[in-house]
Amino acid sequence: EAGVTQSPTHLIKTRGQQATLRCSPISGHTSVYWYQQALGLGLQFLLWYDEGEERNRGNFPPRFSGRQFPNYSSELNVNALELEDSALYLCASSTGLGQPQHFGDGTRLSIL
Amino acid sequence: GNSVTQMEGPVTLSEEAFLTINCTYTATGYPSLFWYVQYPGEGLQLLLKATKADDKGSNKGFEATYRKETTSFHLEKGSVQVSDSAVYFCALENSGGSNYKLTFGKGTLLTVNP
Repeated sequence: EAGVTQSPTHLIKTRGQQATLRCSPISGHTSVYWYQQALGLGLQFLLWYDEGEERNRGNFPPRFSGRQFPNYSSELNVNALELEDSALYLCASSTGLGQPQHFGDGTRLSIL
Repeated sequence: GNSVTQMEGPVTLSEEAFLTINCTYTATGYPSLFWYVQYPGEGLQLLLKATKADDKGSNKGFEATYRKETTSFHLEKGSVQVSDSAVYFCALENSGGSNYKLTFGKGTLLTVNP
């Protein structure tokens, strides 16, 4: 069974640009979660999508947004990039509310 | 709101030493508790979990007991190996419907030397 896959592995951008990160969940998983892992801050919950809808959102500004497609894959979009957005962005998937989350290896976003 | 506090690292041990990583939490209700492990260059893997008070989660020689009276979920292993070197995250899951999410501690880096 293929795990959660994220692309790209690394992404380098400059301030003010826009970044798109992609996540494919495990087959059969309908929920996708996004987390930011910034140095010294641990993992911060960003977004939760289930059945194509945004279900919950962490304490991040509106320039962090995303969507979930009919095949349950997901995109995270970050607009107007700032230096402090440099982090590892992790995607996880599960079969639904309260079920174990399975994580991908992450996309490392570097802002120059 | 919910929060998780775990001991700051880094923790450096010799092979076969005893490991304890402390984790305490603040939450409303009765959250489920987890330990995740992140090996270098990889995402997080669920190590163990406990869903109610006095439950003991265990996996790969690691154990943690859900202590409601002390709001703790300390991770222990009797004899660590070099391959256990990783970052360990304690987390709680609030089951509040649309507010559902995992709240993580900041992680503890464990290095085991041969």
